[in-house]
Amino acid sequence: ETGVTQSPTHLIKTRGQQVTLRCSSQSGHNTVSWYQQALGQGPQFIFQYYREEENGRGNFPPRFSGLQFPNYSSELNVNALELDDSALYLCASSLAGQNNQPQHFGDGTRLSIL
Amino acid sequence: SQQGEEDPQALSIQEGENATMNCSYKTSINNLQWYRQNSGRGLVHLILIRSNEREKHSGRLRVTLDTSKKSSSLLITASRAADTASYFCATDASNYGQNFVFGPGTRLSVLP
Repeated sequence: ETGVTQSPTHLIKTRGQQVTLRCSSQSGHNTVSWYQQALGQGPQFIFQYYREEENGRGNFPPRFSGLQFPNYSSELNVNALELDDSALYLCASSLAGQNNQPQHFGDGTRLSIL
Repeated sequence: SQQGEEDPQALSIQEGENATMNCSYKTSINNLQWYRQNSGRGLVHLILIRSNEREKHSGRLRVTLDTSKKSSSLLITASRAADTASYFCATDASNYGQNFVFGPGTRLSVLP
């Protein structure tokens, strides 16, 4: 069983740039959720994708966008990067489009904005 | 404001002791999950308890849920140094207008 993998593991960008983070879901999982985790805080829900459609969104501006592909892998895109976007970005996959299943997390992408 | 909030924020105990962490939340939920996070790593799922359940066990872990008080507790018995991590509760209130919400976590240190 292949777990959730995220790439890259670390990334450094400057203010105003754009970034794309990638996630491969665990085999057999069709739902992917993205979270932002600031240092010392809990993960904050960004959005969830199920069957290639957005299936719920947290309190994040439109410059945070995503995609899910037919193989259930996913991308998180962030435009016009701001200093406060510095965080660990976590991807989690699960079965079905409901939150009544355990989520399986990758180890995240550490994004630093200079 | 946070849907789920863990208490205490930090906990330090000796190996072999029990550790209890609490989680409070604000709205009705479908289920509540507990996760562990080792430093710099992703979260690992521990236990899911549904809103119609009151207690669940998994190995050295025991989770309780009191929906009337909107609270849950995680008990780790006979703690080990390897249990040192941050522990988060996460509530699913998607049927009540809220997405999956994590609390700020409890940082547990188990001293050998």
